[in-house]
Amino acid sequence: EVQVLESGGGLVQPGGSLRLSCAASGFTFRNYAMSWVRQAPGKGLEWVSGISGSGGTTYYADSVKGRFTLSRDNSKNTLYLQINSLRAEDTAVYYCARTSVVSPGSLDYWGQGTLVTVSS
Amino acid sequence: QSALTQPASVSGSPGQSITISCTGTNSDVGGYKYVSWYQQHPGKAPKVMIYDVTNRPSGVSNRFSGSKSGNTASLTISGLQAEDEADYYCSSYTSISTLVFGGGTKLTVL
Repeated sequence: EVQVLESGGGLVQPGGSLRLSCAASGFTFRNYAMSWVRQAPGKGLEWVSGISGSGGTTYYADSVKGRFTLSRDNSKNTLYLQINSLRAEDTAVYYCARTSVVSPGSLDYWGQGTLVTVSS
Repeated sequence: QSALTQPASVSGSPGQSITISCTGTNSDVGGYKYVSWYQQHPGKAPKVMIYDVTNRPSGVSNRFSGSKSGNTASLTISGLQAEDEADYYCSSYTSISTLVFGGGTKLTVL
């Protein structure tokens, strides 16, 4: 069974940092691109960042470029999102999602999300 | 990377059909076949209902269908059921290899 499980969320002060993790199981992790999508309280979905299966290519939304760094360790089947210089507007549930192998535009498995709250 | 445009809300009675539109640009919806639709119930993770404009993943009801014309994609749900009440989001692959979502549409089953 395909599973992705996020962790690392919590309460952090403005300007602080956090590292989110996403542990994957049930599929050959290195063969799949992965993404992070966030959802602010009561708001819509926002794609944040994506990474190729090898980890050699990363993509970012303009809203997080320069502050977020996406990486992966294929030996540990784990995805990481380093978030720096946190702002109040970064408060959201962060979802880890697998990109479909048949379509680069489709996220076919999602975790349950981890909540990041930025507040003093 | 502007969000795709969706109506904020739609509604329909059980058994009826509804359509949700999703408008983008030539750099996303109009330029690629990689449009997806997601269903999200309150407090739950999104679930893909349609991918590549018209394709349904295994296990998704054939009451859900997708189409595209120019820069606008559409999701149609036929034979509305109470369990279809949820938020729906479209997304598209973009010319800079990112994804962009629509603002979401709240579907109410009357």
